[in-house]
Amino acid sequence: DGGITQSPKYLFRKEGQNVTLSCEQNLNHDAMYWYRQDPGQGLRLIYYSQIVNDFQKGDIAEGYSVSREKKESFPLTVTSAQKNPTAFYLCASNLQGNQPQHFGDGTRLSIL
Amino acid sequence: DQQVKQNSPSLSVQEGRISILNCDYTNSMFDYFLWYKKYPAEGPTFLISISSIKDKNEDGRFTVFLNKSAKHLSLHIVPSQPGDSAVYFCAASDPTGANNLFFGTGTRLTVIP
Repeated sequence: DGGITQSPKYLFRKEGQNVTLSCEQNLNHDAMYWYRQDPGQGLRLIYYSQIVNDFQKGDIAEGYSVSREKKESFPLTVTSAQKNPTAFYLCASNLQGNQPQHFGDGTRLSIL
Repeated sequence: DQQVKQNSPSLSVQEGRISILNCDYTNSMFDYFLWYKKYPAEGPTFLISISSIKDKNEDGRFTVFLNKSAKHLSLHIVPSQPGDSAVYFCAASDPTGANNLFFGTGTRLTVIP
């Protein structure tokens, strides 16, 4: 059964700590995306990757980093430079071009 | 600057009646529009889309209408069912920006049995 898997579902970060959110897809999609959702707001694009070993900054990339070493995987690291990391993080993927993005179930990150 | 706007944060509709969710956009370069449905603590689920070359697309109970001159689109759900209760996001794709999606802030639909 194809889909996008995000883990963990809940994550807690201490001040000054980096954390990595996992995103894996078995849909054979070329492009992958990371979004952040805050209460009462739409999804905002953090980073995206259209091909392995290449990625681009989205609208709110500061304080985040990504890698795309494999087609199936697009992990997001929330660094200590991200001053307001508490949010719901969503990973998505699609085939290239105007194809609907498919989303994982998200990771909720909170600060201890 | 919010390029895609959903000005109604919530909507309540009686079961069996029509639900109409609205969305406005500002960027005339957008050429593809999508509606997503989202339940709490889950990722959005793709519902229906429309290309800018069309003004209507229908899929079962769901119809999306696009008015390019007004930069407005709407999602009609007929008849509404209690299971339709969720947050609905409108999104638009910019071909000049690698087809990245711009999302509205969502409308929470409640269908009352």
